Amino acid sequence: QSLVTQPPSASGTPGQRVTISCSGRSSNIGSQDVYWYQHLPGATPKLLIYHSDQRPSGVPDRFSASKSGTSASLAIGGLRSEDEADYYCAVWDASLRIHVFGTGTAVTVL
Amino acid sequence: EVQLVESGGGLVQPGGSLRLSCAASGFTFSAYDFHWVRQVTGKGLEWVSSIGTVGDTYYLGSVKGRFIISREDARNSVSLQMNNLRAEDSALYHCVRARHGFHYWGQGTQVTVSS
Repeated sequence: QSLVTQPPSASGTPGQRVTISCSGRSSNIGSQDVYWYQHLPGATPKLLIYHSDQRPSGVPDRFSASKSGTSASLAIGGLRSEDEADYYCAVWDASLRIHVFGTGTAVTVL
Repeated sequence: EVQLVESGGGLVQPGGSLRLSCAASGFTFSAYDFHWVRQVTGKGLEWVSSIGTVGDTYYLGSVKGRFIISREDARNSVSLQMNNLRAEDSALYHCVRARHGFHYWGQGTQVTVSS
């Protein structure tokens, strides 16, 4: 059983808004910062969001994130074909003292 | 330019050992934490181990007691000694520089455990 779960897939048409959820526990999402990564085919993962809702420089403001309780979410607004990728949330689990990646969500642009 | 270059992967029999290395350049090595993250083709990302700036280490439960992470600040290098390897350790292993998230990733080195 995964510590942090995501829906396996999400999809939308160009221009639409897509939201990906990330569900965890009090020992991880409930008390720690959440990070989001975009993994394009053939590339290394890219940090999209840090400290639960902050974007590194260079990440478009189409990407936004939030956290509430033991869940977090990533929203992609104005969906583009180049957003087609796998998206992972990640968080430190303070009880197990390990970093945990979510199960990953494959985003498809229809 | 930040660069992380992994080496040391390969084919090994179950129960065997490998030592992965990560050569870093383009930044002040001693100021950062480093992690190893692996991915099986077609599957998700899995964090394996990390070492902090003061040498504090953490391990995924399934590798604790078998893997040892270390760093040599003088050589700008971080290593992962992997012992008693199992088939389920087969993956592409990435070296990752971290501060406020896993910012920079190496391209990875492939580890295959098979008889």
